[in-house]
Amino acid sequence: DAGVIQSPRHEVTEMGQEVTLRCKPISGHDYLFWYRQTMMRGLELLIYFNNNVPIDDSGMPEDRFSAKMPNASFSTLKIQPSEPRDSAVYFCASSLFLQGYSEAFFGQGTRLTVV
Amino acid sequence: KQEVTQIPAALSVPEGENLVLNCSFTDSAIYNLQWFRQDPGKGLTSLLLIQSSQREQTSGRLNASLDKSSGRSTLYIAASQPGDSATYLCAPPGGYGGSQGNLIFGKGTKLSVKP
Repeated sequence: DAGVIQSPRHEVTEMGQEVTLRCKPISGHDYLFWYRQTMMRGLELLIYFNNNVPIDDSGMPEDRFSAKMPNASFSTLKIQPSEPRDSAVYFCASSLFLQGYSEAFFGQGTRLTVV
Repeated sequence: KQEVTQIPAALSVPEGENLVLNCSFTDSAIYNLQWFRQDPGKGLTSLLLIQSSQREQTSGRLNASLDKSSGRSTLYIAASQPGDSATYLCAPPGGYGGSQGNLIFGKGTKLSVKP
């Protein structure tokens, strides 16, 4: 397996624009996670899915953020409208079971810059 | 709520030294703990998953130990090499909102190995 695949690797956008980040989890993994990494706050869990169903989105910072998982091999994280404070690295991860019970694998991340 | 502390925050050593990275966590009711490596501008690479029943896990020059009762884990790197230079992240699971079991990350130890 090629691992968790994220696209794009880098995204530069203007404030107010819509941004969509994409993720392909490892085949067979039932759990998918979206994280955000900043210098100030480190890695924070935004939302996670089990079998394509969102389970906990309490980490999503605002209503401007939304995530979907239309099928087992694809997920999106959308920010609309984007703001400069959304600039961060966004990671997608997947695991066979909940992270506390199985190994988690991360993608290479998407570096988002909102100007 | 699980809180993770990694000491030291940064470490610079000459090549060939053996070194220990420390991680402490507040909620010891965990099933496993994962250590990751992050290179600058890259994603997270899983190094070791240590389960509470194992107490130790080894991979090449890396050895991780886990002491649930004291809320501590250590990552031992033998005969360090310049290629080991990276940030090392400790991640036990912990309660997150209403869902248990997702990884909570420390701020990491930034390791620099000088040739």
